[in-house]
Amino acid sequence: DAGVIQSPRHEVTEMGQEVTLRCKPISGHDYLFWYRQTMMRGLELLIYFNNNVPIDDSGMPEDRFSAKMPNASFSTLKIQPSEPRDSAVYFCASSSPTSNYGYTFGSGTRLTVV
Amino acid sequence: GQNIDQPTEMTATEGAIVQINCTYQTSGFNGLFWYQQHAGEAPTFLSYNVLDGLEEKGRFSSFLSRSKGYSYLLLKELQMKDSASYLCAVRDRTNAGKSTFGDGTTLTVKP
Repeated sequence: DAGVIQSPRHEVTEMGQEVTLRCKPISGHDYLFWYRQTMMRGLELLIYFNNNVPIDDSGMPEDRFSAKMPNASFSTLKIQPSEPRDSAVYFCASSSPTSNYGYTFGSGTRLTVV
Repeated sequence: GQNIDQPTEMTATEGAIVQINCTYQTSGFNGLFWYQQHAGEAPTFLSYNVLDGLEEKGRFSSFLSRSKGYSYLLLKELQMKDSASYLCAVRDRTNAGKSTFGDGTTLTVKP
């Protein structure tokens, strides 16, 4: 298994631009999570899905953030418009009952908004 | 809700043993995970405890006491490569697929 695959690995964009982060979970995993990590705030849960359905998006900072999971093998996190304070590492993770719901994280996307 | 406490930083010497503690207060408990995160990398799974006692896996062991809301990660024969952040995470009882993470303990191993 290739693990959780995220793209791009790095993204540098100008303030005001739209940013789309992508994630392919491990096949068969029924939970998918989007996290954001910064030195100041640590690991923050943004949103998570169960069987492609959003369960809790209370961690999404504001309306500029949106996430979708159109099928079991793909999810996106979109920021529109982006702001410098959105600069962080964004992780996608998936889990399943076969691993007691331990998380497998993707390599992350390092986003820099200038 | 969940409240998870870990020390922010620890320092230890190569070859020594270090114990990283985690205490939690939760509205429901369904298991506890430890993850390792090297600088610039993603967290990776280390261990899972759902029953009281010690789980050993090579140089790493994890202990759980549900009655005390307490866990620790024990690292033996420390190596320089063990310098990393160690995250404690408690699995939600009502939503089994979701875990709440502590802020992590940054361990520095010195020669």
